[in-house]
Amino acid sequence: QKEVEQNSGPLSVPEGAIASLNCTYSDRVSQSFFWYRQYSGKSPELIMSIYSNGDKEDGRFTAQLNKASQYVSLLIRDSQPSDSATYLCAALGGGGNKLTFGTGTQLKVEL
Amino acid sequence: AAGVIQSPRHLIKEKRETATLKCYPIPRHDTVYWYQQGPGQDPQFLISFYEKMQSDKGSIPDRFSAQQFSDYHSELNMSSLELGDSALYFCASSLGTGETQYFGPGTRLLVL
Repeated sequence: QKEVEQNSGPLSVPEGAIASLNCTYSDRVSQSFFWYRQYSGKSPELIMSIYSNGDKEDGRFTAQLNKASQYVSLLIRDSQPSDSATYLCAALGGGGNKLTFGTGTQLKVEL
Repeated sequence: AAGVIQSPRHLIKEKRETATLKCYPIPRHDTVYWYQQGPGQDPQFLISFYEKMQSDKGSIPDRFSAQQFSDYHSELNMSSLELGDSALYFCASSLGTGETQYFGPGTRLLVL
């Protein structure tokens, strides 16, 4: 079992809809969580970071963290075709150094 | 804003050759991380440095070594290259350990 699990997708949503991406983690020591967007052949681009239980909003993006359930999610409102990419969930380990990534969820926003 | 710089961006090598990848962190960032991403896979942590000292080690083969220099740039040295080393190699940097990591554009290594 991977330490960080994501549904690989693809997740298809129509333009303008809300895309919901989910992630679970197994290491309870993890304290910091990140969502990165990665276009094919490109580097991971930071979308959101979240450290505390609850919601964190930044523009069209909302990250949610529930440490009791070991669950992290990312909501993308008003999805655009340019949002089509792979979204990587990552947890920062207890040692505070390495990021452990999920396999990523491929999002397709259709016109 | 200045980002992480990696060079070269593309590299083609033969089996058993050596390669050196370079990473220049965001100015003032003192921590550098190296990740390897194979085709269709998620990035795997290789090694990290904080203030020129190795701070963590992941699944880095013994054939690979890395260091961080006084100007905080880092180099990943890869020897006896194998076909399976073909991958994207990303460098990331942060201001201190345990902080948000920002990724460079990557080096695409192809071993023939």
